[in-house]
Amino acid sequence: QKEVEQDPGPLSVPEGAIVSLNCTYSNSAFQYFMWYRQYSRKGPELLMYTYSSGNKEDGRFTAQVDKSSKYISLFIRDSQPSDSATYLCAMSGSRLIQGAQKLVFGQGTRLTINP
Amino acid sequence: NAGVTQTPKFQVLKTGQSMTLQCAQDMNHEYMSWYRQDPGMGLRLIHYSVGAGITDQGEVPNGYNVSRSTTEDFPLRLLSAAPSQTSVYFCASSSTGNLYEQYFGPGTRLTVT
Repeated sequence: QKEVEQDPGPLSVPEGAIVSLNCTYSNSAFQYFMWYRQYSRKGPELLMYTYSSGNKEDGRFTAQVDKSSKYISLFIRDSQPSDSATYLCAMSGSRLIQGAQKLVFGQGTRLTINP
Repeated sequence: NAGVTQTPKFQVLKTGQSMTLQCAQDMNHEYMSWYRQDPGMGLRLIHYSVGAGITDQGEVPNGYNVSRSTTEDFPLRLLSAAPSQTSVYFCASSSTGNLYEQYFGPGTRLTVT
């Protein structure tokens, strides 16, 4: 079983829709939860991160972490064609723990927003 | 700042050949890492380094070597290329205090025939 599972999609929605992207994980030591966005033929770039449980909002994007269920989500409101990309969740443990200084990525979900 | 740079952008190798993928960063980041990205597999960690002279294995290290002699450079060596190493390779860097914010290079597309 993979440490991080993410539905690879593809996911196609009309412009203006609310998009929900999700990941589940099995390692309870994960403390940092990230969402990266990757445009075609580019390297990933950090979109948002959350430490431990809770919600974080940045403009049209909201990240949620539920550690009790080992489940994280990214919501995109008022989706735009420019949001079309692959979204990767990533997680890591405390950087203070030897050997925990690595990120584990999900498989990535390919999202298309249709005008 | 150039950020993270990778060379070459594209490479075709024959089975058994060796080569080095170059990675450099100009942000004075201590942490550097190499990932491979394959369809349906996401990004998988090959090797990483928390500073000059310190490296460690990731999830898929077999067939790859790394060394870190300077803060700026983190080359990835393929010892004897195999078709299973056909992939897109990304180098990334961050400060050790902000591991969550990895800066990625543009990638190297490698094909092994």
